Formats: sequence, C-alpha cells, structure tokens
Amino acid sequence: EAGVAQSPRYKIIEKRQSVAFWCNPISGHATLYWYQQILGQGPKLLIQFQNNGVVDDSQLPKDRFSAERLKGVDSTLKIQPAKLEDSAMYLCASSKQGLGEKLFFGSGTQLSVL
Amino acid sequence: GENVEQHPSTLSVQEGDSAVIKCTYSDSASNYFPWYKQELGKRPQLIIDIRSNVGEKKDQRIAVTLNKTAKHFSLHITETQPEDSAVYFCAAYGGSQGNLIFGKGTKLSVKP
Repeated sequence: EAGVAQSPRYKIIEKRQSVAFWCNPISGHATLYWYQQILGQGPKLLIQFQNNGVVDDSQLPKDRFSAERLKGVDSTLKIQPAKLEDSAMYLCASSKQGLGEKLFFGSGTQLSVL
Repeated sequence: GENVEQHPSTLSVQEGDSAVIKCTYSDSASNYFPWYKQELGKRPQLIIDIRSNVGEKKDQRIAVTLNKTAKHFSLHITETQPEDSAVYFCAAYGGSQGNLIFGKGTKLSVKP
C-alpha cells in the first residue's frame, strides 16, 4: 500500500512570496489533514477535510492560508503572502474515516521563509 | 478545548534501561490516544494507540497505560536500544474539538 505522498520536499522562499504544497492521501482514505509543525513543537492542525468538504479549519489563518480538495482525493495548501513565522514543516495526513481512526503522515514539506 | 501536556521534554537513558513518558489531557470526552515517533527530518509514525475503553495495551517492548479518572496516559519502552532515539509525541482525540491534539514532544536519547 502506497503511503501519503507530498511535494515538494523542501521549499525556500522570501517573505511576501507565495507557495503551494501538494498532497495525495492513501487510496480510499476519506479524511485528509494538513498540519503545521514548528521546530521543537508538536504538529498543529490547520485544516481537516472529509472527502471534499471542510470539517475543521478553525486554526487556519485564512487571511493568508487556503486549502482545497476539489475532487475529494488530492489536496493543495497555499500560503500567500508568506511571513517569516510560516517557516515550518507542513505535514499532510490521511485516515479512513477520521473519527478516532489512525492517522498516516506524509514525509512533509520543509518551508523556509527568508 | 483539549489541551495535552507532555513530560519530560528531554529524556536520556542508558541502553537496556526503561523509558517512561507521561501525558495529561484536559477534555474528559477524549477517547483515543495515539503515540507517534518522529526521527529527525522524517514523518511522525504511529507506534501504539489506546482507546478509552482499555486501560493498558502492549506491543513487544512498548506499552501504553491510560488512567481515565486522572486523565493521564503514559508510554513505556523497555530494554531501550539506540534506534529508539527520536522525538515521541502523545496525542488525544475526540472531545469537543473532534480532532487530534498533540503534546509538545519528548526527545529520547538512548546511549549505548
């Protein structure tokens, strides 16, 4: 079984630039999550999708972050414009149903904002 | 909302010793508690999990205990090996927020 795929693996941008991350969950997993992990901290949920609908985006900074999962499969997370404090690992995860099911993480995208 | 506290933040043990990491949670409605291991620069990987209807679960050298009354759960690693060195995260799921809340992590170092 293929795991959660993410790209790019690394990204370096300057502040005020835009960046996009892509995620393809495990086949058949209905729930997809985007987490932000700042160095030395635990992952923090940004947004949760169930199929192509948003379940929770309460911690997503909507003035600069956006995410979509149009066909209920892969997803993109965008930051526009980026700030220095956005430097972090962005992890995508998926689970079969979401309600207490096991989460499987992708390898993440390490973002550095200069 | 749910809040997960994890202790200690760093833990150093000799190879062969046991390691214990403790977490507390605030929302009594939380019902699922996974533990993740994250090696440097890699993805978090689920190593063991426990649901609220179980008090203890064991998988070879790893065990997790849950005390619902006190709202705390612990990870126990016996006969530690250098390859156990990593950051370990506890998490709690459920409750009013309905998503997984992570602790801040414990950096475990196993010295040969």
